[in-house]
Amino acid sequence: GAGVSQSPSNKVTEKGKDVELRCDPISGHTALYWYRQSLGQGLEFLIYFQGNSAPDKSGLPSDRFSAERTGGSVSTLTIQRTQQEDSAVYLCASSLGGRVIQYFGAGTRLSVL
Amino acid sequence: DQQVKQNSPSLSVQEGRISILNCDYTNSMFDYFLWYKKYPAEGPTFLISISSIKDKNEDGRFTVFLNKSAKHLSLHIVPSQPGDSAVYFCAASASPYDDMRFGAGTRLTVKP
Repeated sequence: GAGVSQSPSNKVTEKGKDVELRCDPISGHTALYWYRQSLGQGLEFLIYFQGNSAPDKSGLPSDRFSAERTGGSVSTLTIQRTQQEDSAVYLCASSLGGRVIQYFGAGTRLSVL
Repeated sequence: DQQVKQNSPSLSVQEGRISILNCDYTNSMFDYFLWYKKYPAEGPTFLISISSIKDKNEDGRFTVFLNKSAKHLSLHIVPSQPGDSAVYFCAASASPYDDMRFGAGTRLTVKP
């Protein structure tokens, strides 16, 4: 499709397990963002990739969170040793470099039991 | 640090009336402001934007007003329609190359 694709759409995991969330941005978009929306909260910025520049990781809540963007396209957000407070919807967005408007995927709903 | 604040978690209006959603920000470096609309089980979609060189931007039924001195912006929807029922997020950025900060959202319900 032409939009931002995220997988899986839902993920249920046990506390302490690692999870990987995937994002396929819109083709040609050089900027990619990860956000988290916890229940009743706004969109919390996590990490931002822009082209070949070093990513802005200032929003990652702990060192259990990491993200990669391979080949300037697909991105994977990894959460190690998941905790119950990691339960949230994780949203990915992409944009053309230098453009403010971001296009969002439908998100991955993560539930940590 | 909540740099973008939407103090009303919910708003309910009658169909045909005006909806006014408010947003305040604290960072004076913000120059770009956007509104996104989110339906359940979908990602947010871009609705309308304004840059700091303007104080108003209009697109059909949607108008965004910016008051830089008050660090305040608002989204007006007139006339409101039941299909406008969604969560509306305000977002701000210092430049297209900076990360964007989002408010907590306001859930708008338009009653027929």
